[in-house]
Amino acid sequence: KNEVEQSPQNLTAQEGEFITINCSYSVGISALHWLQQHPGGGIVSLFMLSSGKKKHGRLIATINIQEKHSSLHITASHPRDSAVYICAVDNYGQNFVFGPGTRLSVLP
Amino acid sequence: KAGVTQTPRYLIKTRGQQVTLSCSPISGHRSVSWYQQTPGQGLQFLFEYFSETQRNKGNFPGRFSGRQFSNSRSEMNVSTLELGDSALYLCASSLRWGQQETQYFGPGTRLLVL
Repeated sequence: KNEVEQSPQNLTAQEGEFITINCSYSVGISALHWLQQHPGGGIVSLFMLSSGKKKHGRLIATINIQEKHSSLHITASHPRDSAVYICAVDNYGQNFVFGPGTRLSVLP
Repeated sequence: KAGVTQTPRYLIKTRGQQVTLSCSPISGHRSVSWYQQTPGQGLQFLFEYFSETQRNKGNFPGRFSGRQFSNSRSEMNVSTLELGDSALYLCASSLRWGQQETQYFGPGTRLLVL
């Protein structure tokens, strides 16, 4: 079993839909990161969480430390949100483990 | 402020050769981390440098090495290249070491080993 899992693997949505991507992990963590990778490879850090909830524009990230689960929500999705979304966990500075990514396509 | 830069952006090598990749962090950032991304294994952590010292290392063979200079610029070296080393190599910088910091990623160096 991988230490970090994401669901779904692939997601296709219509513009305007509310989107949820899930991340679950099996190791103890000090922080969880959500990353966005566009075609061509560039990665942007969206959120870093150690508890609770963060919001930036149309993006919301939540984490439940007890349940070892985090979600990334996109409200009013837009074609420019099409990318791979990657969850990564910081194992108390010892290692940085990535999930397999969720490929999101938002259709106009 | 200029972002993280990586050179070269693309590189083709043959098996057995060695390669050196460079990463210049955002001005003021003292931590540089390196990652390998392949279609099969996804993103994997290679190592992290802070103040010219390696702080953490991922599960990679000794052929993968790195260093950091006093100006925080970092290089990674892969010796005796294998076909499986073909990958996108990403570096990221942050203010302090440890991944409890927002990471700023460079555009990556795409390495093809023939």
